[in-house]
Amino acid sequence: KAGVTQTPRYLIKTRGQQVTLSCSPISGHRSVSWYQQTPGQGLQFLFEYFSETQRNKGNFPGRFSGRQFSNSRSEMNVSTLELGDSALYLCASRMLPSVAQETQYFGPGTRLLVL
Amino acid sequence: AQSVSQHNHHVILSEAASLELGCNYSYGGTVNLFWYVQYPGQHLQLLLKYFSGDPLVKGIKGFEAEFIKSKFSFNLRKPSVQWSDTAEYFCAVKGAGNMLTFGGGTRLMVKP
Repeated sequence: KAGVTQTPRYLIKTRGQQVTLSCSPISGHRSVSWYQQTPGQGLQFLFEYFSETQRNKGNFPGRFSGRQFSNSRSEMNVSTLELGDSALYLCASRMLPSVAQETQYFGPGTRLLVL
Repeated sequence: AQSVSQHNHHVILSEAASLELGCNYSYGGTVNLFWYVQYPGQHLQLLLKYFSGDPLVKGIKGFEAEFIKSKFSFNLRKPSVQWSDTAEYFCAVKGAGNMLTFGGGTRLMVKP
């Protein structure tokens, strides 16, 4: 079974631009979460989607948004990029957000560099 | 709000040494606890997890962790490390809100 895939793997943008990252969960997984990983702040939760609905949201500004499609694939968008948005963006999927299925599986990440 | 603290940011060990990485969390309710590992150039992988039952959980590659509820701790251990264990280790807790909160990570370097 294929793992979580993320595209693109690397991205360079300039301040003020916007960016869209994509995540395809493991087949059969319906929940997708996004995390930002930086050397200074570590791994921080952005948001989680299940059945095309945002279920949880971390403490990030409104410039960070996401969505989920009916096939469970998810995208996240960052508008008006800032230098501080440079990070590794990780996507994680799990089957169902229930007690018995709590293990999240992570993708390789998209490394975003904002110049 | 829940939080996770990993006390050791960098650990250097020689091969065959024993390992213990500390993890403490703050959350008063029922928690699920995890250790993830990130090898150089690779993505986060699950080492082990605790949901309920036996507080001593065993994971992959000889790792184990003990959940001590009274101390809000979930320390990771391995009796004898190998060079291939060089990686960054993350403790995570899932409590309220059904989302994972990660600790700051511990970078382990094992000298051959």
